[in-house]
Amino acid sequence: AQSVTQLGSHVSVSEGALVLLRCNYSSSVPPYLFWYVQYPNQGLQLLLKYTSAATLVKGINGFEAEFKKSETSFHLTKPSAHMSDAAEYFCAVSSPIQGAQKLVFGQGTRLTINP
Amino acid sequence: GAGVSQSPSNKVTEKGKDVELRCDPISGHTALYWYRQSLGQGLEFLIYFQGNSAPDKSGLPSDRFSAERTGGSVSTLTIQRTQQEDSAVYLCASSLVFSLVDEQYFGPGTRLTVT
Repeated sequence: AQSVTQLGSHVSVSEGALVLLRCNYSSSVPPYLFWYVQYPNQGLQLLLKYTSAATLVKGINGFEAEFKKSETSFHLTKPSAHMSDAAEYFCAVSSPIQGAQKLVFGQGTRLTINP
Repeated sequence: GAGVSQSPSNKVTEKGKDVELRCDPISGHTALYWYRQSLGQGLEFLIYFQGNSAPDKSGLPSDRFSAERTGGSVSTLTIQRTQQEDSAVYLCASSLVFSLVDEQYFGPGTRLTVT
């Protein structure tokens, strides 16, 4: 079975500082990995995805993530935090069910940006 | 174009009552997914539809939960004899095709509170 662990349920950084949200996965097959963001009272929005092409994936809003097979990690980073980045972030791994994409999510990390 | 819509946005019901949650996917999307987001369980997959068919119902928490999709479009998630542990945000997502890498577009969710 596939699973995702997000280290840190809450992360707080200052505006302009580096954002680092950690995600480790467990999968018996090559995984597809995703980062989603959820703003208050909204649905989830895809930030970026890893699909076995380039290991460094660039997403929207200046976010990027690097797939490291040896560390089974897919950490999300952004060089300079903005107040609008405050949200909850979910790492997810896909689990194939008859060809469809079932997402297995981590518990989420709430990102707070301090002015 | 229009995104995934869900109704109602909020539902408060008494324990033991039945509720119906509705999802309108993006037009033309063949795949539809239901997830549940709760404090104790995080984001968990419930069921998916390929067209009008739901090949795998093992993610539904109990036999009180059922879902259907008609005309390859609107889906309804029904919870019978609601219990307090059913309180959660129910999220619907759709994707254009069945693919391990196709982006799922999420609706804003229905917040269900069982009193």
